Amino acid sequence: SAVISQKPSRDICQRGTSLTIQCQVDSQVTMMFWYRQQPGQSLTLIATANQGSEATYESGFVIDKFPISRPNLTFSTLTVSNMSPEDSSIYLCSVEGGQGANTEAFFGQGTRLTVV
Amino acid sequence: DAKTTQPNSMESNEEEPVHLPCNHSTISGTDYIHWYRQLPSQGPEYVIHGLTSNVNNRMASLAIAEDRKSSTLILHRATLRDAAVYYCILRGLTGGGNKLTFGTGTQLKVEL
Repeated sequence: SAVISQKPSRDICQRGTSLTIQCQVDSQVTMMFWYRQQPGQSLTLIATANQGSEATYESGFVIDKFPISRPNLTFSTLTVSNMSPEDSSIYLCSVEGGQGANTEAFFGQGTRLTVV
Repeated sequence: DAKTTQPNSMESNEEEPVHLPCNHSTISGTDYIHWYRQLPSQGPEYVIHGLTSNVNNRMASLAIAEDRKSSTLILHRATLRDAAVYYCILRGLTGGGNKLTFGTGTQLKVEL
């Protein structure tokens, strides 16, 4: 299993500003995943972060808006840039217990972001 | 991506068994069936997964149809703490690869 800590747990931000969310894992992992959960909706994958390479973004998400860092095998950050009220969501970090489809995923508690 | 279909919501009484259905008629032979749940104000939590055979763990049982086009998550004795959104997800070559693609899930309500 893996224990994931996210910071901050919640924040209220002014539009036009940026927020960086931190994700710390208690073990070394190859890939880390960032998800967004808009109010009342399901989770949507934003990007996959590998250590030592650029993150891979899903359709509809771009690096300029959601820059990601992955400096080592236990840590990653997601920045939500130039925020607007539409960015109000829960942002979640996730890691895998192994590799491939026959493995479970672990999630952090999420960062609840409100943009005013 | 191979898709799954789940009822939007279900209700159960506490201490009774709950059977949560999932249809996945386009599943491929290499797709694993995963179940996650999300309790209020928390991140998703792994429940169980399987490929062809039924699976049991401390949380639940997973019954997979012989043709693999449907599956059922079984909570043997529901408690109030089991009230959550339950997601049935396919992972594999046709299930969006290794990615977890969340659908809308089933909102389970548990009553006294």
